[in-house]
Amino acid sequence: EADIYQTPRYLVIGTGKKITLECSQTMGHDKMYWYQQDPGMELHLIHYSYGVNSTEKGDLSSESTVSRIRTEHFPLTLESARPSHTSQYLCASRNPLVNEQYFGPGTRLTVT
Amino acid sequence: GENVEQHPSTLSVQEGDSAVIKCTYSDSASNYFPWYKQELGKGPQLIIDIRSNVGEKKDQRIAVTLNKTAKHFSLHITETQPEDSAVYFCAASYGGSQGNLIFGKGTKLSVKP
Repeated sequence: EADIYQTPRYLVIGTGKKITLECSQTMGHDKMYWYQQDPGMELHLIHYSYGVNSTEKGDLSSESTVSRIRTEHFPLTLESARPSHTSQYLCASRNPLVNEQYFGPGTRLTVT
Repeated sequence: GENVEQHPSTLSVQEGDSAVIKCTYSDSASNYFPWYKQELGKGPQLIIDIRSNVGEKKDQRIAVTLNKTAKHFSLHITETQPEDSAVYFCAASYGGSQGNLIFGKGTKLSVKP
């Protein structure tokens, strides 16, 4: 089992609030990812990072932003949450030796 | 752009029967094909993967086959059990050595006791 953690697991907030979803891993992996999972379960890559001080936008446009100040930490921030941001957010990291990608448990965000 | 098609979207089998999920991919440079199982309320878990230099891989009741010429790969689960019920995702690497994955839309497998 991979050691990748996400907090909070569930979050309900009002429109306009700023939120940060936390993701951390203890495996020393350089590459990390954020996915958005819609109700139909499809996974969409929204951000990824090659390592410290590296952030890239994924295939799906997102109003969220990410930062990578430390290898183990890859937080995602929404400056002003809207109901359209309601979704499941999954963080992942990749083991470069075997090219395997491991997911965290996810954060289910509801914006009212 | 790159694309992965996954079928069927839902699959219902009797306990003990076999289940097969099929995927096709578009990027001929893809060389890594993992399968994930996602249970309710959890993140996807890697269950098996295959690389482009291998045609088949087996791990107990789970097997994956790859046909590079046809650009398709399949997941086979034998002797299904109720605990196999979950959503299964196939994925294919793209972008060369960058190692990003593109996922299929998922298959919801239900195993009836």
